Amino acid sequence: AQTVTQSQPEMSVQEAETVTLSCTYDTSENNYYLFWYKQPPSRQMILVIRQEAYKQQNATENRFSVNFQKAAKSFSLKISDSQLGDTAMYFCAFMIDDMRFGAGTRLTVKP
Amino acid sequence: KAGVTQTPRYLIKTRGQQVTLSCSPISGHRSVSWYQQTPGQGLQFLFEYFSETQRNKGNFPGRFSGRQFSNSRSEMNVSTLELGDSALYLCASRSPGLAGVNEQFFGPGTRLTVL
Repeated sequence: AQTVTQSQPEMSVQEAETVTLSCTYDTSENNYYLFWYKQPPSRQMILVIRQEAYKQQNATENRFSVNFQKAAKSFSLKISDSQLGDTAMYFCAFMIDDMRFGAGTRLTVKP
Repeated sequence: KAGVTQTPRYLIKTRGQQVTLSCSPISGHRSVSWYQQTPGQGLQFLFEYFSETQRNKGNFPGRFSGRQFSNSRSEMNVSTLELGDSALYLCASRSPGLAGVNEQFFGPGTRLTVL
């Protein structure tokens, strides 16, 4: 069974600084997708970034980037130049046939 | 394009009742998935429908069921409600099979409270 683990229930960062959220997963499959979703207080799930397992290059979306280590089954999210609007729950997700989520990391950006 | 819509947004029911939630996917998306989100269990996959057929199913009791119509709209039904069914129910749609378009787009959710 595929499992996703986020070991940091809560994190905080000062505005304009950089923070890294951790995620590990377990699978015996070779082809899959990984995602980071953000859920602000409104509860709307918003896709932050995605990574196809067959791509070695780490995905980047503006201030968001990932460190994908396939052999280690690790998929961390780096947020640069943190903004107050980044305050949210962040979920790591793994997908082959259906999507499995980690427990989430609550990130607070402090002014 | 309009996003994923879910109705109703809020619902209050009592134990033993049944409830039906509705989800309209993004136009052109044929896959609809349902998730239950609770503080204790997090986000859990319920089931996925594609072209009116259930394609995947999570580990939930038979009280949870769903269906999909020919226009890809989906409904989820929970019978004999229990207090533990109180949760945010999220629906997500996607277009599997299109290269580079495999992420799911989520609706705003339906907040179900069982009293």
